[in-house]
Amino acid sequence: DAGITQSPRHKVTETGTPVTLRCHQTENHRYMYWYRQDPGHGLRLIHYSYGVKDTDKGEVSDGYSVSRSKTEDFLLTLESATSSQTSVYFCAITFGTANYGYTFGSGTRLTVV
Amino acid sequence: TQLLEQSPQFLSIQEGENLTVYCNSSSVFSSLQWYRQEPGEGPVLLVTVVTGGEVKKLKRLTFQFGDARKDSSLHITAAQPGDTGLYLCAGGDSGGGADGLTFGKGTHLIIQP
Repeated sequence: DAGITQSPRHKVTETGTPVTLRCHQTENHRYMYWYRQDPGHGLRLIHYSYGVKDTDKGEVSDGYSVSRSKTEDFLLTLESATSSQTSVYFCAITFGTANYGYTFGSGTRLTVV
Repeated sequence: TQLLEQSPQFLSIQEGENLTVYCNSSSVFSSLQWYRQEPGEGPVLLVTVVTGGEVKKLKRLTFQFGDARKDSSLHITAAQPGDTGLYLCAGGDSGGGADGLTFGKGTHLIIQP
């Protein structure tokens, strides 16, 4: 009953390479979010979307871009990966605004070497 | 920038004991949510509170939203090893959280058998 899947689950990449993470939902929810989770920092918002082709920046958006060409897919791209982007990335969805509560994916553990 | 401070950061207690986790801010939130996260997985929504002074119970867990909607608490009665996990509070802004939730850094809870 996942409803939201992230791929890949794990990735190791080299500094300077582009990386794309995918979030796929089957719930037809309007709102989608990308967060990163780091020890000592908690969950921080990278980008979010409130509809197809409608995206906006979050707290830590530098070095990241997103695209949403279909309701079900929200892509996060690291244009040129750096070691500071080593993190666990979570996608979240909500059918209304975030006040209704998120459903999170299982996360992508990204290591930049 | 809205901040949520959680305390304590770490808590290790024996099975059967009671505990309270706190989530405090100087900002007013339109909603306050609690999530539990297990290793290798995304956070799972436990409860959403939206009205100042609201109390919600979920089996042995009791959640309270402060009267001024700036703070919240999670009380667990007769803790069990299955309650072990990372507990996160998250607040929605005055816009209903459409711009994303602000998360606290979490409380790591360990219940010893």
